Parts: sequence; structure tokens; C-alpha cells
Amino acid sequence: GAGVSQTPSNKVTEKGKYVELRCDPISGHTALYWYRQSLGQGPEFLIYFQGTGAADDSGLPNDRFFAVRPEGSVSTLKIQRTERGDSAVYLCASSGGGDTDTQYFGPGTRLTVL
Amino acid sequence: DAKTTQPNSMESNEEEPVHLPCNHSTISGTDYIHWYRQLPSQGPEYVIHGLTSNVNNRMASLAIAEDRKSSTLILHRATLRDAAVYYCILGLGYSGAGSYQLTFGKGTKLSVIP
Repeated sequence: GAGVSQTPSNKVTEKGKYVELRCDPISGHTALYWYRQSLGQGPEFLIYFQGTGAADDSGLPNDRFFAVRPEGSVSTLKIQRTERGDSAVYLCASSGGGDTDTQYFGPGTRLTVL
Repeated sequence: DAKTTQPNSMESNEEEPVHLPCNHSTISGTDYIHWYRQLPSQGPEYVIHGLTSNVNNRMASLAIAEDRKSSTLILHRATLRDAAVYYCILGLGYSGAGSYQLTFGKGTKLSVIP
């Protein structure tokens, strides 16, 4: 079946611009996660949705970052006033819910801020 | 969060078994031990998880020490496709806010020699 998809696969933007990154989770998965991965590091948690609500946004680095999941399926990560330090691979994962459910990751969006 | 310690890198010859160690001396009684791996330019993928008993699946085996302070991921016959970064992760990073985030370290980079 279809896995987690993310668009675009690559995004190049200029400092100060606004970007949106999209995640399509596996159909029926209630939980959705965003992570950020810098070069040479493991992924770092950003935010977790259970259904439509952001149940835990403790990983968002500052108020320039925001994510939505209005219908409990597709999610969009939004970054305002991008900075060079935001350059990273942004990963999305989904799971069926529950405390030991496997997370299925998408291929990521590589964001480059010039 | 309970932490894990893994070697930075390991090498294996193709078609030989590989034992990837992980130390987690501060593991709590309810923490599961999860392994994910990340192939180059891809998102992480689930490998295996366990709580107390050794576990086997089609990808690998997980051997858990009796005191649960360490574990070993076993790939029975390494192939070139197994070259990846392997992450050992405890529990699901329950933050007390209902989040089941994964807390990744730097993992072990496995190289497979033809």
C-alpha cells in the first residue's frame, strides 16, 4: 500500500521567505509526527498530532514554526521568516496510535535557505 | 529521557552476521527498546522492538540482556542493502503530554564490505 509521502522533495528559498511543507500520512493513521534532521545528526522531534489537534508541540524551536492538520489527515508544516539555520531535512511520520505503534516515515523534504 | 549509547560506526563483510550493541543502563521498567534504521537519503524505517524477551522478525533479531541494561541487534546475513545508520531508541519518549515521540541519538553507521 501507499506509504507516507512528502512534498516537495526539495525546497530552496531565500532568507526571510515563508515556506510550507506537506505530509500525506498512511490512510487511517491517527497519529502524525514532524521531525527535523540536520546533517550528521539523528532526527529531532518537532510536533505530534493525534487526529486534528496538536497534542505536543514542545519540539517546535520558536514561534516561526507552525503546523496544522485540519481534517486529521494531511498536515502542513509552515515556517515564517526562514533563516539559514532552518536548513535541514524535514521528516514526517505517521502511526496508528497507541504507545508502542510503529512510526512510518516519509522520504523527507530537504529545505535549503540561502 | 533515558539515554542510549551506541558505537559511532561498525563494518561488516557481506553475508556475515552483524551484532550492533546498545547500552541503556538507565532504562525504566516500562521502556520498550526500539531499533530503527535509516538508509542513505531516506527516512528512518522500523526494524524491531522488544520489552524483555528476545524477539525475531524477518529483518533481524533483538537480544535483550536479562537486566535490560543493554541489547544487541543481530542481522543474520548482512547485505549491501543493510548499509545504514541504526538507531537504538528507548520507549517512545513519553513526555507526559500524551506524545509518543522518538528520541534519536546519532546511531551506529554500518558499512557492509562486498
